[in-house]
Amino acid sequence: QKEVEQNSGPLSVPEGAIASLNCTYSDRVSQSFFWYRQYSGKSPELIMSIYSNGDKEDGRFTAQLNKASQYVSLLIRDSQPSDSATYLCAACNMEYGNKLVFGAGTILRVKS
Amino acid sequence: KAGVTQTPRYLIKTRGQQVTLSCSPISGHRSVSWYQQTPGQGLQFLFEYFSETQRNKGNFPGRFSGRQFSNSRSEMNVSTLELGDSALYLCASSWVAGSTDTQYFGPGTRLTVL
Repeated sequence: QKEVEQNSGPLSVPEGAIASLNCTYSDRVSQSFFWYRQYSGKSPELIMSIYSNGDKEDGRFTAQLNKASQYVSLLIRDSQPSDSATYLCAACNMEYGNKLVFGAGTILRVKS
Repeated sequence: KAGVTQTPRYLIKTRGQQVTLSCSPISGHRSVSWYQQTPGQGLQFLFEYFSETQRNKGNFPGRFSGRQFSNSRSEMNVSTLELGDSALYLCASSWVAGSTDTQYFGPGTRLTVL
């Protein structure tokens, strides 16, 4: 069983729509969660971090965390073609220091 | 503030050789982690260094090793290269080693083993 699971996609949404990306994790003790965006041939770029249950908003992005359900999501409002990338969900358990456990990533395609 | 830098950016080696990759963290960051990214296995944690000490190690063979210097710069070494070691090697840095610390990735070193 993979520790962090994501739907590989691709998830296709029209420009201007809301893209919803989901992630589940198996290590119940994980405390920190991160969303990274990775363009083809580039390194991961941090979008959002979330540590507490509930929603966290930053511009067009909203991260949601539900520790009881072991579920993390990322909503992208007003999706743009430039948002087309692979979105990586990562979990961190402080027992293992800064070790990030990544999901396989979800490919997002925003069609203009 | 300059980001994480990695050198070299591209590397081609043959089986059996060894390779050393370098990472300079963001100024002031003391924790450096290394990851391997391949199409088949995704992003996998190699090891983390903090204050010149390895704090954690992923599930990789002993051919993979690393170290950190007093200025927080880090190197990783892979000995006796195998074809399967072809990957993007990413370095990430953060202020300290803690679960709430955000890790920022460098551009990576693309290693090709022939």
